[in-house]
Parts: sequence; structure tokens; C-alpha cells
Amino acid sequence: DTGVSQDPRHKITKRGQNVTFRCDPISEHNRLYWYRQTLGQGPEFLTYFQNEAQLEKSRLLSDRFSAERPKGSFSTLEIQRTEQGDSAMYLCASSSLSTGKLFFGSGTQLSVL
Amino acid sequence: TQLLEQSPQFLSIQEGENLTVYCNSSSVFSSLQWYRQEPGEGPVLLVTVVTGGEVKKLKRLTFQFGDARKDSSLHITAAQPGDTGLYLCAGASRSYNTDKLIFGTGTRLQVFP
Repeated sequence: DTGVSQDPRHKITKRGQNVTFRCDPISEHNRLYWYRQTLGQGPEFLTYFQNEAQLEKSRLLSDRFSAERPKGSFSTLEIQRTEQGDSAMYLCASSSLSTGKLFFGSGTQLSVL
Repeated sequence: TQLLEQSPQFLSIQEGENLTVYCNSSSVFSSLQWYRQEPGEGPVLLVTVVTGGEVKKLKRLTFQFGDARKDSSLHITAAQPGDTGLYLCAGASRSYNTDKLIFGTGTRLQVFP
């Protein structure tokens, strides 16, 4: 069990650029979640997948955000035309249906200049 | 909108002191979880409480779920520097199903030797 892996750990980009983050969940976990956390706050739910199906998206997730989990394994989160307000830690978590316990990755820290 | 407010927001204490962190909401949750997060890392699950009035102990940490399942507390006895971190409560709307966890605002604890 290697845990939830996220890549990259840090990303610095200029406003207007597109960025993509990757999350590899724990292998037997069929649920995958994306959260966003800004400094001094708790994580905010963005979206989640059960296998390859995206079951719910937060209203926080504007049209510039898209997430995929094409084969029900790893997931990607893309942000198009980044804005300074997108600067945050993007956290991925996975869980199995049987336990419902969330295991978080170390996150991708995004800085938009 | 379900909100979880934590208090205090910051806490600095000396090693050996006791402390209590509170997590309050006007909404009812089917379960509530407590996490600890260290800088640059994702949250790590400490405990899940499900039944109103439930008390769970994890070494020097005692967790309680309010009778009405709207609030929770975390009590740490004889705090140690290793307890330093961000403590987050998170509520789930469906029993043992961690879909769309609502996280609290967090309590940042610093324990000085």
C-alpha cells in the first residue's frame, strides 16, 4: 500500500495558463475525491468519482475546472485560464465503499502569479 | 449550507497542559470525523464518531459526539510537542459514507516543550 500519490507537489504558473494535476489513489479504492484548501481554512469539496463515473460536482467548480477518471484508476484535474484566486492546495483522497475512510494525498500546491 | 465552526482558531500551550477543541454546527451529521494535518501534507484521519453521545479515546485524545449530532469536541490530555498541527473536524451527511465531507475551519495547535 503506497498511499495516495499526487503529482506535481508544487506548481507555479502565470495567470491565464492551463495546469493539470494527477492523482493516483490507493489501488483497491473505487472512490476518489478532489478538495481545495486555502491557507488557514479547511478543505472544500470539489468533486468525486465512483470508479470512472463523476457523481457530484461542487458549485465551486467553475467551467474552467474539469476532472476525469477515465479508467476508474488515476484521476486528473485540469484548470484552464488560471486566475490568482485559484492559488491553493489541491488535495486528492480515496476511499473504499466498504469502510468509507478517506485517505488523503500530500496535495499539489498551486501558485498563480 | 452546512457549516462547521471550530474554536479556538489558534491555540499555543506548554507541554503537559490539557486542551479542548470544539466543533459546532447548526446541522445534523450522520457521522463526524477528526483529522490532523501537518504543513505540506494532507489530513490524516484520527477517528470517526457515529452515535449521538459517543465517546472514543485514542491514547491521550478523547473525542465526543454531541447528543444531537450537531457538535463534537476533542480533548487532549498532557499535550506533547508531537501533537502540534492543524486539527480539522469534518461532517458526513450519510452514515459511514464520506461523500462530500464538510470540513470545519480548523484549529491550529502549537505545543511548546
